[in-house]
Amino acid sequence: DGGITQSPKYLFRKEGQNVTLSCEQNLNHDAMYWYRQDPGQGLRLIYYSQIVNDFQKGDIAEGYSVSREKKESFPLTVTSAQKNPTAFYLCASSIIAGNEQFFGPGTRLTVL
Amino acid sequence: AQRVTQPEKLLSVFKGAPVELKCNYSYSGSPELFWYVQYSRQRLQLLLRHISRESIKGFTADLNKGETSFHLKKPFAQEEDSAMYYCALVGGNEKLTFGTGTRLTIIP
Repeated sequence: DGGITQSPKYLFRKEGQNVTLSCEQNLNHDAMYWYRQDPGQGLRLIYYSQIVNDFQKGDIAEGYSVSREKKESFPLTVTSAQKNPTAFYLCASSIIAGNEQFFGPGTRLTVL
Repeated sequence: AQRVTQPEKLLSVFKGAPVELKCNYSYSGSPELFWYVQYSRQRLQLLLRHISRESIKGFTADLNKGETSFHLKKPFAQEEDSAMYYCALVGGNEKLTFGTGTRLTIIP
């Protein structure tokens, strides 16, 4: 299960605060992804990055931001503009975009 | 636009019976399809991909372009097959689109 880590496992924030979720991988993968998982809705893509210093919006990018300054790291910021931020967030990586994705353990964010 | 449909949210099957999890897709080009699985307390992981044509843990899936389907099948269900299963598609933009998932429960 090593290789891609997410921290923390559980995160609580007050409404109106920005919060950053960490995702790190030591698999030397070029591509990294952020998904949101809600009951009954499967996984929805928030942002993805095919290579360092580049990223693209996914299907539900509004209210989120990312950076990809290092190959190993792809942090996700949930901003106060996100209307319904409470969810389970999954990070993934793949050797190149379109290949098998390896998933982290996830972060459960609860906004109070 | 690419879309993946898994019509069954829940599926219960007796141990030893055949299993079929349905997946239909919508994509104008030539897709690459995957099945991912999440066992209890484990990470989401790849089960199989159509391009490799492998049988993993007794599961197979055949891409039917005419019916735009990629159903997952296993002839004899085992208790350890209980899990959440996601069908997914990669289109030309290299973006992976997931279905809403099917929770499979094997009844002993």
